[in-house]
Amino acid sequence: AQKITQTQPGMFVQEKEAVTLDCTYDTSDPSYGLFWYKQPSSGEMIFLIYQGSYDQQNATEGRYSLNFQKARKSANLVISASQLGDSAMYFCAMREAIIGNQFYFGTGTSLTVIP
Amino acid sequence: DGGITQSPKYLFRKEGQNVTLSCEQNLNHDAMYWYRQDPGQGLRLIYYSQIVNDFQKGDIAEGYSVSREKKESFPLTVTSAQKNPTAFYLCASSTTGAYGYTFGSGTRLTVV
Repeated sequence: AQKITQTQPGMFVQEKEAVTLDCTYDTSDPSYGLFWYKQPSSGEMIFLIYQGSYDQQNATEGRYSLNFQKARKSANLVISASQLGDSAMYFCAMREAIIGNQFYFGTGTSLTVIP
Repeated sequence: DGGITQSPKYLFRKEGQNVTLSCEQNLNHDAMYWYRQDPGQGLRLIYYSQIVNDFQKGDIAEGYSVSREKKESFPLTVTSAQKNPTAFYLCASSTTGAYGYTFGSGTRLTVV
């Protein structure tokens, strides 16, 4: 089974609108971390936001927030007030703290912001 | 400033040649990783090392080799046995536990 599933290969959003990028995960490890990375066309991977499995509140970092629904095993990224510079690939990732300590990536979502 | 340095940024290789991609970190991280990314695709794990002088194969290790003689360094050699080496290669490092990776800026390898 896939550890991380991103079902949206491509998304479009109007500038200044909000957009949600979906991510579901699968783990039996009680301790894990969830991450979102942005990859612009230059190729570098930019860390955006982190959510720990024991965190009670949803993580927020500026215009980024993570909608963490533990029972549904989903960790959707919400970008508010989209900007043209947000156009990039976005990867959801998970790291299990105990079982193998592996890092798993989704297949990514390509976001295009339309002026 | 602490970080990961990958070099070179662009690399061209003739068919049949071995090439080595450099990855150096000064974050004092124990674990280091190599990923391959093809256009429009996600990341695939090639090799990883959690401690000096030890490393494990990832999902696509065939045609690649690594060494970990120093904590700071984890070079990747793309051998002539790798049938389709043209790709973007990312190096990463981390501490243990449920923490994220720090990535290098990547090396784009092209076979000519």
